[in-house]
Amino acid sequence: EPEVTQTPSHQVTQMGQEVILRCVPISNHLYFYWYRQILGQKVEFLVSFYNNEISEKSEIFDDQFSVERPDGSNFTLKIRSTKLEDSAMYFCASKNFDTYEQYFGPGTRLTVT
Amino acid sequence: GENVEQHPSTLSVQEGDSAVIKCTYSDSASNYFPWYKQELGKGPQLIIDIRSNVGEKKDQRIAVTLNKTAKHFSLHITETQPEDSAVYFCAATFTSGTYKYIFGTGTRLKVLA
Repeated sequence: EPEVTQTPSHQVTQMGQEVILRCVPISNHLYFYWYRQILGQKVEFLVSFYNNEISEKSEIFDDQFSVERPDGSNFTLKIRSTKLEDSAMYFCASKNFDTYEQYFGPGTRLTVT
Repeated sequence: GENVEQHPSTLSVQEGDSAVIKCTYSDSASNYFPWYKQELGKGPQLIIDIRSNVGEKKDQRIAVTLNKTAKHFSLHITETQPEDSAVYFCAATFTSGTYKYIFGTGTRLKVLA
């Protein structure tokens, strides 16, 4: 069964450093998402991406965040200058055009020290 | 703003008993309600969903009910088994636009053998 994959599974970085979280969505999907979950809190929407552009972003998704689909398979989330409060689990998800179900990857745990 | 509340945050049941998890949503325009199960180290996986034009849906031991007037929906698991132990998330979204999910806070279900 096709699945969404994410790398790395765990990333440790120092405050102020740039990080790139990578995702490979399911190949024929057209809608892509990033969510995050701070430990002990709910899963929060960050950004949606469709037709090679951001279709919606939350208040969390400020100028420090960016997303890219550099080729036909990868979908990346970049945090330019990480803060302690960026420490969280980041989930990538994708969806096809004819269903409402989003398929989630296993997540990347980001720890900012 | 959009919000989904979920209760309880933890639930322990004896094997074979039923478990019920409840969610309430704020945006009356929401019309698609998925339930996800998250096991340790894995991403959320869809277990059942319901659209707003349906009051109840069942899949073997799992059922979801929706009360549009009250804006709440519930997950029912019957004859629970130890492998049902996981974190369960409800979500709400619209079947148009970006299809972003608004998640509940999650319920940790423990099934005691």
